[in-house]
Amino acid sequence: NAGVTQTPKFQVLKTGQSMTLQCAQDMNHEYMSWYRQDPGMGLRLIHYSVGAGITDQGEVPNGYNVSRSTTEDFPLRLLSAAPSQTSVYFCASRRQAAGTYEQYFGPGTRLTVT
Amino acid sequence: EDKVVQSPLSLVVHEGDTVTLNCSYEVTNFRSLLWYKQEKKAPTFLFMLTSSGIEKKSGRLSSILDKKELSSILNITATQTGDSAIYLCAVEWGSNYKLTFGKGTLLTVNP
Repeated sequence: NAGVTQTPKFQVLKTGQSMTLQCAQDMNHEYMSWYRQDPGMGLRLIHYSVGAGITDQGEVPNGYNVSRSTTEDFPLRLLSAAPSQTSVYFCASRRQAAGTYEQYFGPGTRLTVT
Repeated sequence: EDKVVQSPLSLVVHEGDTVTLNCSYEVTNFRSLLWYKQEKKAPTFLFMLTSSGIEKKSGRLSSILDKKELSSILNITATQTGDSAIYLCAVEWGSNYKLTFGKGTLLTVNP
Protein backbone atom coordinates (compact mmCIF):
# COMPACT_ATOMS: atom_id res chain seq x y z
CA ASN A 1 0.00 0.00 0.00
CA ALA A 2 1.94 3.02 -1.30
CA GLY A 3 -0.65 5.67 -0.37
CA VAL A 4 -0.47 8.77 -2.59
CA THR A 5 2.47 8.92 -4.99
CA GLN A 6 3.59 11.85 -7.11
CA THR A 7 6.09 12.08 -9.93
CA PRO A 8 8.39 13.76 -10.59
CA LYS A 9 9.78 15.03 -7.27
CA PHE A 10 11.54 17.96 -8.95
CA GLN A 11 11.13 19.58 -12.36
CA VAL A 12 12.57 22.60 -14.14
CA LEU A 13 10.70 23.98 -17.13
CA LYS A 14 11.26 26.83 -19.52
CA THR A 15 8.49 29.39 -20.01
CA GLY A 16 5.98 28.10 -22.55
CA GLN A 17 6.75 24.40 -22.11
CA SER A 18 4.00 22.00 -21.12
CA MET A 19 4.15 19.05 -18.78
CA THR A 20 2.05 16.68 -16.70
CA LEU A 21 2.44 16.10 -12.98
CA GLN A 22 1.39 12.56 -12.13
CA CYS A 23 -0.60 11.55 -9.06
CA ALA A 24 -1.78 8.08 -8.14
CA GLN A 25 -3.37 6.53 -5.06
CA ASP A 26 -3.97 2.88 -4.22
CA MET A 27 -6.54 3.35 -1.44
CA ASN A 28 -9.59 3.35 -3.72
CA HIS A 29 -10.34 6.92 -2.65
CA GLU A 30 -13.08 8.73 -4.55
CA TYR A 31 -11.97 12.27 -3.75
CA MET A 32 -8.69 13.66 -5.13
CA SER A 33 -7.31 17.18 -5.18
CA TRP A 34 -4.37 19.22 -6.40
CA TYR A 35 -2.92 22.08 -4.33
CA ARG A 36 -0.07 24.49 -4.82
CA GLN A 37 1.90 25.91 -1.93
CA ASP A 38 3.81 29.16 -2.12
CA PRO A 39 5.76 30.73 0.76
CA GLY A 40 3.42 32.31 3.29
CA MET A 41 0.31 31.32 1.31
CA GLY A 42 -0.80 28.03 2.83
CA LEU A 43 -2.18 25.51 0.32
CA ARG A 44 -4.44 26.72 -2.48
CA LEU A 45 -6.81 24.37 -4.26
CA ILE A 46 -6.25 24.13 -8.02
CA HIS A 47 -8.69 21.39 -9.14
CA TYR A 48 -10.47 18.54 -7.47
CA SER A 49 -12.42 15.43 -8.40
CA VAL A 50 -15.22 13.69 -6.50
CA GLY A 51 -14.95 10.53 -8.60
CA ALA A 52 -13.85 9.11 -11.95
CA GLY A 53 -15.09 11.30 -14.79
CA ILE A 54 -15.96 14.26 -12.54
CA THR A 55 -13.69 17.25 -12.01
CA ASP A 56 -14.19 20.82 -10.86
CA GLN A 57 -12.19 24.00 -10.36
CA GLY A 58 -10.74 25.20 -7.10
CA GLU A 59 -9.45 28.65 -6.15
CA VAL A 60 -6.59 28.96 -8.67
CA PRO A 61 -7.42 26.85 -11.77
CA ASN A 62 -6.07 29.11 -14.53
CA GLY A 63 -3.24 27.57 -16.53
CA TYR A 64 -3.96 24.03 -15.34
CA ASN A 65 -6.05 21.16 -16.68
CA VAL A 66 -7.05 17.89 -15.04
CA SER A 67 -8.85 14.72 -15.98
CA ARG A 68 -9.95 11.68 -13.98
CA SER A 69 -10.36 8.65 -16.22
CA THR A 70 -9.72 6.14 -13.40
CA THR A 71 -10.23 6.15 -9.64
CA GLU A 72 -6.48 5.76 -9.08
CA ASP A 73 -4.99 8.53 -11.24
CA PHE A 74 -5.42 12.29 -11.26
CA PRO A 75 -2.82 14.01 -13.49
CA LEU A 76 -2.34 17.78 -13.52
CA ARG A 77 -1.36 19.37 -16.83
CA LEU A 78 0.41 22.68 -17.22
CA LEU A 79 -0.52 23.90 -20.68
CA SER A 80 2.08 26.65 -21.17
CA ALA A 81 4.30 27.08 -18.12
CA ALA A 82 4.82 30.56 -16.68
CA PRO A 83 7.23 31.73 -13.93
CA SER A 84 4.16 32.39 -11.72
CA GLN A 85 3.60 28.62 -11.66
CA THR A 86 6.86 28.06 -9.81
CA SER A 87 5.62 26.35 -6.66
CA VAL A 88 5.39 23.12 -4.70
CA TYR A 89 2.47 21.00 -5.85
CA PHE A 90 0.69 18.51 -3.59
CA CYS A 91 -1.81 15.90 -4.62
CA ALA A 92 -4.20 14.57 -1.98
CA SER A 93 -6.92 11.97 -1.69
CA ARG A 94 -9.62 10.94 0.75
CA ARG A 95 -12.34 8.33 0.88
CA GLN A 96 -15.26 10.33 -0.36
CA ALA A 97 -16.76 13.78 -0.56
CA ALA A 98 -19.64 13.18 1.80
CA GLY A 99 -18.56 12.83 5.37
CA THR A 100 -15.49 14.08 7.13
CA TYR A 101 -12.60 11.81 6.35
CA GLU A 102 -8.89 12.39 6.79
CA GLN A 103 -7.08 13.59 3.68
CA TYR A 104 -3.79 11.95 2.65
CA PHE A 105 -1.11 13.99 0.90
CA GLY A 106 1.52 12.92 -1.60
CA PRO A 107 5.17 13.92 -1.05
CA GLY A 108 4.96 16.92 -3.38
CA THR A 109 6.53 18.06 -6.65
CA ARG A 110 8.82 21.10 -6.63
CA LEU A 111 8.43 22.90 -9.95
CA THR A 112 10.60 25.76 -11.16
CA VAL A 113 9.72 27.69 -14.32
CA THR A 114 12.51 29.85 -15.73
CA GLU B 1 -11.40 37.83 0.70
CA ASP B 2 -9.84 35.02 2.69
CA LYS B 3 -12.26 32.42 3.92
CA VAL B 4 -9.86 30.97 6.50
CA VAL B 5 -7.66 33.26 8.58
CA GLN B 6 -4.96 32.06 10.92
CA SER B 7 -3.17 34.06 13.59
CA PRO B 8 -0.50 34.73 14.41
CA LEU B 9 1.34 34.15 11.12
CA SER B 10 4.54 33.41 13.03
CA LEU B 11 5.48 32.80 16.62
CA VAL B 12 8.78 32.23 18.43
CA VAL B 13 8.74 30.64 21.88
CA HIS B 14 11.08 28.85 24.28
CA GLU B 15 10.92 25.18 25.10
CA GLY B 16 8.38 24.54 27.83
CA ASP B 17 6.11 27.44 26.86
CA THR B 18 2.42 26.92 26.06
CA VAL B 19 1.14 28.28 22.75
CA THR B 20 -2.32 28.92 21.34
CA LEU B 21 -2.86 29.12 17.60
CA ASN B 22 -6.04 30.61 16.19
CA CYS B 23 -8.12 29.91 13.12
CA SER B 24 -11.28 31.73 12.09
CA TYR B 25 -13.44 31.04 9.07
CA GLU B 26 -16.29 32.38 7.04
CA VAL B 27 -17.80 29.82 4.64
CA THR B 28 -21.21 28.62 3.57
CA ASN B 29 -22.35 25.15 4.53
CA PHE B 30 -19.55 24.39 7.00
CA ARG B 31 -18.69 20.70 7.29
CA SER B 32 -15.57 20.41 9.45
CA LEU B 33 -12.29 22.05 10.43
CA LEU B 34 -8.97 20.26 10.24
CA TRP B 35 -5.54 21.00 11.68
CA TYR B 36 -2.32 19.85 10.01
CA LYS B 37 1.36 20.02 10.95
CA GLN B 38 3.86 20.62 8.17
CA GLU B 39 7.55 20.14 8.59
CA LYS B 40 9.76 20.18 5.53
CA LYS B 41 7.45 18.00 3.46
CA ALA B 42 3.73 17.18 3.06
CA PRO B 43 1.24 18.17 5.78
CA THR B 44 0.35 15.52 8.32
CA PHE B 45 -3.09 15.32 9.90
CA LEU B 46 -3.57 16.33 13.54
CA PHE B 47 -7.26 16.80 14.30
CA MET B 48 -10.67 17.02 12.70
CA LEU B 49 -13.36 19.06 14.47
CA THR B 50 -17.06 19.27 13.75
CA SER B 51 -19.94 21.38 14.98
CA SER B 52 -20.40 18.97 17.89
CA GLY B 53 -17.89 21.13 19.77
CA ILE B 54 -16.10 18.15 21.24
CA GLU B 55 -12.50 18.89 22.19
CA LYS B 56 -9.86 16.70 20.61
CA LYS B 57 -6.64 15.80 22.43
CA SER B 58 -3.45 14.03 21.52
CA GLY B 59 -0.65 14.16 24.04
CA ARG B 60 0.37 17.78 24.52
CA LEU B 61 -1.86 19.00 21.68
CA SER B 62 -5.54 19.83 21.99
CA SER B 63 -8.06 21.64 19.84
CA ILE B 64 -11.65 22.79 20.03
CA LEU B 65 -14.14 24.45 17.70
CA ASP B 66 -16.33 27.37 18.73
CA LYS B 67 -19.20 27.23 16.26
CA LYS B 68 -20.72 30.49 17.53
CA GLU B 69 -17.50 32.42 17.01
CA LEU B 70 -16.69 30.46 13.81
CA SER B 71 -13.22 29.75 15.09
CA SER B 72 -10.92 27.13 16.49
CA ILE B 73 -7.83 27.08 18.66
CA LEU B 74 -4.94 24.65 18.72
CA ASN B 75 -3.10 24.48 22.05
CA ILE B 76 0.35 23.02 22.52
CA THR B 77 1.57 22.69 26.10
CA ALA B 78 5.19 22.17 27.26
CA THR B 79 6.49 22.88 23.76
CA GLN B 80 9.54 21.05 22.45
CA THR B 81 11.91 21.90 19.60
CA GLY B 82 10.27 19.09 17.60
CA ASP B 83 7.04 21.11 17.61
CA SER B 84 8.69 23.65 15.30
CA ALA B 85 6.66 23.54 12.09
CA ILE B 86 3.98 25.30 10.08
CA TYR B 87 0.52 24.59 11.50
CA LEU B 88 -2.21 24.71 8.91
CA CYS B 89 -5.91 25.10 9.50
CA ALA B 90 -8.33 23.97 6.78
CA VAL B 91 -12.10 24.19 6.53
CA GLU B 92 -14.26 21.71 4.67
CA TRP B 93 -17.36 23.36 3.22
CA GLY B 94 -19.95 23.47 0.49
CA SER B 95 -21.90 20.83 -1.41
CA ASN B 96 -18.70 19.31 -2.83
CA TYR B 97 -16.81 19.34 0.49
CA LYS B 98 -14.04 21.64 -0.75
CA LEU B 99 -11.10 22.12 1.58
CA THR B 100 -9.82 25.68 1.97
CA PHE B 101 -6.59 26.29 3.86
CA GLY B 102 -5.42 29.26 5.86
CA LYS B 103 -1.95 30.71 5.31
CA GLY B 104 -0.54 28.82 8.27
CA THR B 105 1.26 29.72 11.49
CA LEU B 106 5.03 29.24 11.54
CA LEU B 107 5.95 28.10 15.05
CA THR B 108 9.58 28.16 16.11
CA VAL B 109 10.49 26.61 19.46
CA ASN B 110 13.95 27.57 20.68
CA PRO B 111 15.86 25.43 23.21
